Amino acid sequence: DTGVSQNPRHKITKRGQNVTFRCDPISEHNRLYWYRQTLGQGPEFLTYFQNEAQLEKSRLLSDRFSAERPKGSFSTLEIQRTEQGDSAMYLCASSLTSIYEQFFGPGTRLTVL
Amino acid sequence: SQQGEEDPQALSIQEGENATMNCSYKTSINNLQWYRQNSGRGLVHLILIRSNEREKHSGRLRVTLDTSKKSSSLLITASRAADTASYFCATDAGNAGNMLTFGGGTRLMVKP
Repeated sequence: DTGVSQNPRHKITKRGQNVTFRCDPISEHNRLYWYRQTLGQGPEFLTYFQNEAQLEKSRLLSDRFSAERPKGSFSTLEIQRTEQGDSAMYLCASSLTSIYEQFFGPGTRLTVL
Repeated sequence: SQQGEEDPQALSIQEGENATMNCSYKTSINNLQWYRQNSGRGLVHLILIRSNEREKHSGRLRVTLDTSKKSSSLLITASRAADTASYFCATDAGNAGNMLTFGGGTRLMVKP
């Protein structure tokens, strides 16, 4: 399968712990996006990369959140000192600069107890 | 924050009927896209309409765009049980990264 993959699919953690998610985009896609989706709502943009450069961050991305895409391929999203309000589905998407359509992964569902 | 709102929030129809979902947005756009999300699966792109287009078709899907009213509609004709999903409109404001701003979605149930 050459689609976008995300790991883990589910993560349960206790408040205050750190978590890290991984996204593997479609191999030739130079853009990678992170979105967050809470129950019953549409996804909200968090951040995006053009190759390895992080070019935009939403105000939703507090200092506890950090994202990387070290070699312009896979990306990681880390949340430090998790809070119950961080519980959500974290979605990754990739695209090509010349194409507006974004291809989404299945998401990582985070539950903070 | 959400770009706009979708109407209705939930829709239940019988198989074979048509389903219409509406989306309103707030700012100027480069294009508007519709995505489908099935339970437990990621978002799947359905159709894109550019700001200079008024109507677009893809199979059983028909999308309209009225930039003067900042609104769009998605029509699914001859619905099937497999169309049961949440449908989201997403706007691309034409910024450098083409980030998407999603609406709250319409939850469609098609009864067999």
